[in-house]
Amino acid sequence: NAGVTQTPKFQVLKTGQSMTLQCAQDMNHEYMSWYRQDPGMGLRLIHYSVGAGITDQGEVPNGYNVSRSTTEDFPLRLLSAAPSQTSVYFCASSYSSGQGHEQYFGPGTRLTVT
Amino acid sequence: AQSVTQLDSQVPVFEEAPVELRCNYSSSVSVYLFWYVQYPNQGLQLLLKYLSGSTLVESINGFEAEFNKSQTSFHLRKPSVHISDTAEYFCAVSERGYQKVTFGTGTKLQVIP
Repeated sequence: NAGVTQTPKFQVLKTGQSMTLQCAQDMNHEYMSWYRQDPGMGLRLIHYSVGAGITDQGEVPNGYNVSRSTTEDFPLRLLSAAPSQTSVYFCASSYSSGQGHEQYFGPGTRLTVT
Repeated sequence: AQSVTQLDSQVPVFEEAPVELRCNYSSSVSVYLFWYVQYPNQGLQLLLKYLSGSTLVESINGFEAEFNKSQTSFHLRKPSVHISDTAEYFCAVSERGYQKVTFGTGTKLQVIP
């Protein structure tokens, strides 16, 4: 199993540009989520999904869109990048029950917005 | 709503000394508790977890954490640290029957040779 994969590893955007961060998992997990990690702030939940076709907002959803058309994929879209979105983004997946929601994380995407 | 507090942002400790990383949580219902570790330039990986049963849980590399319901704490301890333990450690909580996991702000453990 590859686990949770994320692409790209690094990305530089100009203010106003849009892009999609890709996330895929091959563990048949129902639950997937996107976090951003900023110094001194830990991980903050952006959006999450409890299954294909079902998504919901997390703690910091503004400026981001998600969709979940398959169990495996959960892309994160930045609609119009802003310098405040400079961060490291992590995708995670887990079973939805029975495992205490243990999360499996991808390697991260380091995004810089200039 | 659930929350997690890690009061120590950085903890320097000499090699082979003991260490404790503190974690307190807030929740009105029963919880699951986790410690994750992040090595430089990597994603997070699970270190240990408390789901139910014994309040003392251990990892394969010598860490342990004890769930204390009365003090709403889940402190992480290791009796003798190694250089390779240098990393950032995150405490996390999720409420039973609820999907979301809330993470603390992290504690950077720096092991000094």
